[in-house]
Amino acid sequence: GQNIDQPTEMTATEGAIVQINCTYQTSGFNGLFWYQQHAGEAPTFLSYNVLDGLEEKGRFSSFLSRSKGYSYLLLKELQMKDSASYLCAVMDSNYQLIWGAGTKLIIKP
Amino acid sequence: IAGITQAPTSQILAAGRRMTLRCTQDMRHNAMYWYRQDLGLGLRLIHYSNTAGTTGKGEVPDGYSVSRANTDDFPLTLASAVPSQTSVYFCASSTSGSNEQFFGPGTRLTVL
Repeated sequence: GQNIDQPTEMTATEGAIVQINCTYQTSGFNGLFWYQQHAGEAPTFLSYNVLDGLEEKGRFSSFLSRSKGYSYLLLKELQMKDSASYLCAVMDSNYQLIWGAGTKLIIKP
Repeated sequence: IAGITQAPTSQILAAGRRMTLRCTQDMRHNAMYWYRQDLGLGLRLIHYSNTAGTTGKGEVPDGYSVSRANTDDFPLTLASAVPSQTSVYFCASSTSGSNEQFFGPGTRLTVL
């Protein structure tokens, strides 16, 4: 079966760095997406990786290793507004997104 | 309008009733999707449409139907609602099947 695993919840301090991991087993691979979802709101797109390596976008970076079925989202200089759930999703061979349950990130002052 | 809109925002529905959730986008995206989101679970795809006039089944299609008469609209119908269909429903769209998806604000549906 297809499976996306990510931690349920993480806590970090304002100004610090946090890494959210995602491991996956899917039928085919056509890219990995990270989305941010604030409580009660819709998911919004953060990043997309299809090749191995690191993609940097401001305070957020995303890494992919296809051979290991592994990705992480790195958030630097954490701000209180970064408190949200972070969703990992893999596009399978049918170009359908398979979603993880999300990681709730709590930022403490 | 700009982006994707969904209606209603929330709804309480008696079991056995018919309900249509509306979704409209003005970005001229070819692909549209319906997901449900339940606590502790990832988003699950109900139905999708790669282009106007075509639809396909996702992971959890039973009890739901969709139509795509034009590019902008993608309504989701529950023919006879059951309590297990209590969920938050998100509509999304993308320029094509392989690109990032943009989400509507969601509809919170409670079936009693």
